[in-house]
Amino acid sequence: DQQVKQNSPSLSVQEGRISILNCDYTNSMFDYFLWYKKYPAEGPTFLISISSIKDKNEDGRFTVFLNKSAKHLSLHIVPSQPGDSAVYFCAAAVLSGGYNKLIFGAGTRLAVHP
Amino acid sequence: DAGVIQSPRHEVTEMGQEVTLRCKPISGHDYLFWYRQTMMRGLELLIYFNNNVPIDDSGMPEDRFSAKMPNASFSTLKIQPSEPRDSAVYFCASSLSPSRETQYFGPGTRLLVL
Repeated sequence: DQQVKQNSPSLSVQEGRISILNCDYTNSMFDYFLWYKKYPAEGPTFLISISSIKDKNEDGRFTVFLNKSAKHLSLHIVPSQPGDSAVYFCAAAVLSGGYNKLIFGAGTRLAVHP
Repeated sequence: DAGVIQSPRHEVTEMGQEVTLRCKPISGHDYLFWYRQTMMRGLELLIYFNNNVPIDDSGMPEDRFSAKMPNASFSTLKIQPSEPRDSAVYFCASSLSPSRETQYFGPGTRLLVL
């Protein structure tokens, strides 16, 4: 049973437009959410995060929105650039053995075309 | 620092053979994680270590999988015997502290079991 779901396996966006990547979760105990970005032949790298006490966190062109009642979060990239083309993973943190274990979604492949 | 190092980068083997994946975490990091990435399930945490001690192995799929960390600079993930359904990309990650986002991933090992 997947606790973190990214229902869109791929997304194609024109350069300069907004990219919106979505993520849903089922466990109301999650209290921290993260987005990771992965280029081909590389490991994922941390992009942006949000605590459950907030509904928005912004870092440059990247903004993450959290809707706790709907158990939904989204990543907005504005404006989108070709270098943003990558796989984006949504993750949720849950306490396990004194550590915040990360539960990842299946990923969404973003393609930004000129 | 060279980052997290994984070897081999690619592995092709036949069903029934033993496979050993290797990881060298970032020096000084106390936490080490093994993940598996598949198209259907995304990134799954298999096991993680703190100070060389396995803390949570609930993600290890079955007894064919085993992981060890004999010292702070080396870990192995072994599959014996391997099966075609084990084909995936296996990532190692390390972290300095139990904070949520500072997991640094290696480039991964792409495993194909024929």
